Amino acid sequence: NAGVTQTPKFRVLKTGQSMTLLCAQDMNHEYMYWYRQDPGMGLRLIHYSVGEGTTAKGEVPDGYNVSRLKKQNFLLGLESAAPSQTSVYFCASSYEGQGAPNQPQHFGDGTRLSIL
Amino acid sequence: DQQVKQNSPSLSVQEGRISILNCDYTNSMFDYFLWYKKYPAEGPTFLISISSIKDKNEDGRFTVFLNKSAKHLSLHIVPSQPGDSAVYFCAASGKTSYDKVIFGPGTSLSVIP
Repeated sequence: NAGVTQTPKFRVLKTGQSMTLLCAQDMNHEYMYWYRQDPGMGLRLIHYSVGEGTTAKGEVPDGYNVSRLKKQNFLLGLESAAPSQTSVYFCASSYEGQGAPNQPQHFGDGTRLSIL
Repeated sequence: DQQVKQNSPSLSVQEGRISILNCDYTNSMFDYFLWYKKYPAEGPTFLISISSIKDKNEDGRFTVFLNKSAKHLSLHIVPSQPGDSAVYFCAASGKTSYDKVIFGPGTSLSVIP
């Protein structure tokens, strides 16, 4: 019962480099989300997906791209990393949308990303 | 401007006593409220929720109270245990499944044995 798995767990990048964070869920959830967590800011939604082949912008989408080619996977890409993107990134999934009662999100354990 | 506020970044409580974590929100359209618990190096896990049609929801040692007129909710943990030491996030969303969840900044609870 893996739930939501994020890879990698840690990464250090140089400014301008690119990388992709992978999120995989085995719960057959329709909805998937990418958040970033910064000190004193809580969790902020970057992008989300309401089903395979769909993506939508969240609260802080600039500098990131996402893809959902398969229902179980949700990829977050940084095309040209910047120091402001240093953060802890969490992926989550849910059976129904975020606002649906009694359908809380299931989170992965996070990816700690440092941009030098 | 934060729509969900947790004004206490940290809280320390003696084991066996009550822990009270507070949360305030500004958006009157919020209809559904959740609390998540997070241990270091792990993702948040859902703890308890409450709909705006209720003023209280209880699950074991955890009770959430909602005061809509004051736009305030609180999480009570009784009795507090050392294993409850974690960061607690308050979150809120609107009525539909299309509404996004807005998270507060979190409160770090330490339960002292």
